[in-house]
Amino acid sequence: QVQLVQSGAEVKEPGASVKVSCEASGYTFTSYFVHWVRQAPGQGLEWMGLINPSDSTTIYAPRLQGRVTMTRDTSTGTVYMELTSLRSEDTAVYYCARKRLYDQALDYWGQGTLVTVSS
Amino acid sequence: EILLTQSPGTLSLSPGERATLSCRASQSVTSHYLGWYQQKPGQAPRLLIYDTSSRATGIPDRFSGSGSGTDFTLTISRLEPEDFAVYYCQQYGHALTFGGGTKVEIK
Repeated sequence: QVQLVQSGAEVKEPGASVKVSCEASGYTFTSYFVHWVRQAPGQGLEWMGLINPSDSTTIYAPRLQGRVTMTRDTSTGTVYMELTSLRSEDTAVYYCARKRLYDQALDYWGQGTLVTVSS
Repeated sequence: EILLTQSPGTLSLSPGERATLSCRASQSVTSHYLGWYQQKPGQAPRLLIYDTSSRATGIPDRFSGSGSGTDFTLTISRLEPEDFAVYYCQQYGHALTFGGGTKVEIK
């Protein structure tokens, strides 16, 4: 069965970086784009960007451009999201999600990773 | 960037009642790229509807989606206890965006 398993919770100081992993299984890793979405406490969903695991092509949300980097490791079926220059407003649950093959919906989601930015 | 506005912010209904949730876009959305998600506390979002009106795998037929252009609707024909949650619409144009969500709560 399709699964996306994310790394555990992180606590970071302002100005630091965080790297969250998302290990995919149960499907052909390179055939499906992966998106990252975050959710601040009590707030809605914010799209961060996507990666094509086949060729590493990425598209980032404009407001995060320059601070976010998405990469992948095809040998382990894992995608990574790194966010730099962290500030308190980056405190959120971060989700990876697989995009359906022929449309733009996100059909499988990771369990979420809480990143807390605090001094 | 296409902005999505969901209304109402909160919908207070009783089990068995019909729920109608609205999603309005700031510019025309390709229907192929409009989806709806359900989220319960402490859980990841769950895909309900893709391509405006197609139910995702395992989604009961009391959930239906409709609309075109800038106006889209999610309808839950008869609310079950497990349907009380927050619902988000989502579109993909040059970038992916979500609406602000509608909370369906028990009256």
